[in-house]
Amino acid sequence: QKEVEQDPGPLSVPEGAIVSLNCTYSNSAFQYFMWYRQYSRKGPELLMYTYSSGNKEDGRFTAQVDKSSKYISLFIRDSQPSDSATYLCAMSVSGTYKYIFGTGTRLKVLA
Amino acid sequence: DTGVSQDPRHKITKRGQNVTFRCDPISEHNRLYWYRQTLGQGPEFLTYFQNEAQLEKSRLLSDRFSAERPKGSFSTLEIQRTEQGDSAMYLCASSLGGGGFYNEQFFGPGTRLTVL
Repeated sequence: QKEVEQDPGPLSVPEGAIVSLNCTYSNSAFQYFMWYRQYSRKGPELLMYTYSSGNKEDGRFTAQVDKSSKYISLFIRDSQPSDSATYLCAMSVSGTYKYIFGTGTRLKVLA
Repeated sequence: DTGVSQDPRHKITKRGQNVTFRCDPISEHNRLYWYRQTLGQGPEFLTYFQNEAQLEKSRLLSDRFSAERPKGSFSTLEIQRTEQGDSAMYLCASSLGGGGFYNEQFFGPGTRLTVL
């Protein structure tokens, strides 16, 4: 079993929809939770990070962490065709440098 | 452009050949990371440098792989005797690190390796 599990999709939604992306993990020592966006044939770029449990909002994006369930989510409101990309969750243990990534979920927002 | 840069962006080679990739991190970043990403998978950690010291190597990094970061600036990743299974995107990232806190890793555009 992988340390981080993520549904690979693909996920297709109409423009304006609310998108929910999720990851589960097994390592209870993870304390930093990141969401990266990766366009085709590009490097990942950080969208948001969260420390420990709770919610964090940035514009149309909201990240949620539920450490008791070992479950994290990224919500995208009012999705746009430009949001079409692969979304990667990543996690790390505090004081370490190694990120453990999920497989990524491919999202397509249809105009 | 002050981001992480990687060279070359694409490399096609024949099985058995040696290849070398270069990564230039963001200038003040003391930490540098190499990851490998295969099709349909997330990046997998390969190795990590703090300044010029290589502090960790993943078991994914076989003895055909070697990474260096002379003088704590740019880094090179060399693969000797390439195999078809080495075909992947090789990503470099850098961060400004101190211990115990979150340090955002900034990724470069990657080098896509195809081994024929």
